[in-house]
Amino acid sequence: NAGVTQTPKFQVLKTGQSMTLQCAQDMNHEYMSWYRQDPGMGLRLIHYSVGAGITDQGEVPNGYNVSRSTTEDFPLRLLSAAPSQTSVYFCASSPQPSNEKLFFGSGTQLSVL
Amino acid sequence: GENVEQHPSTLSVQEGDSAVIKCTYSDSASNYFPWYKQELGKGPQLIIDIRSNVGEKKDQRIAVTLNKTAKHFSLHITETQPEDSAVYFCAPDGGGADGLTFGKGTHLIIQP
Repeated sequence: NAGVTQTPKFQVLKTGQSMTLQCAQDMNHEYMSWYRQDPGMGLRLIHYSVGAGITDQGEVPNGYNVSRSTTEDFPLRLLSAAPSQTSVYFCASSPQPSNEKLFFGSGTQLSVL
Repeated sequence: GENVEQHPSTLSVQEGDSAVIKCTYSDSASNYFPWYKQELGKGPQLIIDIRSNVGEKKDQRIAVTLNKTAKHFSLHITETQPEDSAVYFCAPDGGGADGLTFGKGTHLIIQP
């Protein structure tokens, strides 16, 4: 059982570069979400999806795009990386049609220079 | 939006003793109250949750108690063990698909 798989685990970008953080789950969960975790600030929601073809913004969506073409995958795109996007990113999924009982991936540590 | 505060920010207890972490929230519409545990280098993991129509829930050595009137809920860990060392987050929610509001975390240290 892989659960929620995130790649890469570590990434360094230069300001202005773009990249995609990958997230896949094999539990057939409809609900998926992306959080960022910064020191002293807990986790904050970036984007979420309640099913394939449906996405919505969370608390801190600026500078990020998402799409949900399949139930399994929910990639997060950084359009033009900025130092303020240096953070640890977590993908999560839920068997509920909501944010309850979340299963988290192991995270991607991103540094933007 | 929801304001969430966790106390204490750091808690050090002797192995075998009990630990209590408190979470205070502001939104009276909150009806779901989970606790997550995050070990170093890993993602958060749900350890226990409770709904607003229940005052207490227990699962082996961990329990959650809810006081809706005072708008706070607490995590109780008894007979603490070294593997309980981690950061614990509360994340009260008012329902719906949008995100949980996470507290800033409590670093629990179990002293041998």
